[in-house]
Amino acid sequence: QVQLVQSGAEVREPGASVKLSCVASGHTFSSYAMHWLRQAPGQSLEWMGWSNAVNNVKYSQKFQGRLTITRDTSASIVYMELYSLRSEDTAMYYCARFDRYSDSFDLWGQGTVVTVSS
Amino acid sequence: DIQMTQSPSYLSASVGDRVTITCRSSQTMTTYLNWYQQRPGKAPKVLIYAASSLQSGVPSRFSGGRSGTNFTLTISSLQPEDFATYFCQQSFSYPYTFGQGTKLDI
Repeated sequence: QVQLVQSGAEVREPGASVKLSCVASGHTFSSYAMHWLRQAPGQSLEWMGWSNAVNNVKYSQKFQGRLTITRDTSASIVYMELYSLRSEDTAMYYCARFDRYSDSFDLWGQGTVVTVSS
Repeated sequence: DIQMTQSPSYLSASVGDRVTITCRSSQTMTTYLNWYQQRPGKAPKVLIYAASSLQSGVPSRFSGGRSGTNFTLTISSLQPEDFATYFCQQSFSYPYTFGQGTKLDI
């Protein structure tokens, strides 16, 4: 089955970091760029960055210096680590596969809730 | 950054109605515009890509259009499962950006 399965919910204190994972199955992981996006409660979606098939990365300027996306191609896993967390980082975080033919996010993980609170 | 202005924010309709949601981009971006549906507690799902191409498996009552920097998503005859939130998204330039969303309610 073609799917992305994300790691479970996380709670962190302000200033801490969090590392999420996203495991791909049922498709050729190495052929796709994998993106991370987030959605604060009741808000729209926000693009964070991607890791492509040859381990290049690109981040939104908003997260420069605070975000690292890595991938383990042999295990079909992509990771997202966000540092120096603040309360505004409380959100649902999604990994998504980007299809270069349609230039759209055609497969999404189920989401991981990250709560930042003291 | 390209700003995506989506309207309306909220839309009340009935089963069988025809509805249209609009998204306007702050810059010219040809057809790099996608539409997603998000049901409560679920991840988004792509409906339309490249402004007017129907994603595989999506019912034909969904259609997309473009006129300059204005993009539309039309649902020709609402079904009960269509009541959800819809987002537009541009993949023309980084950072990829989304509209604010349209909640379609009964």
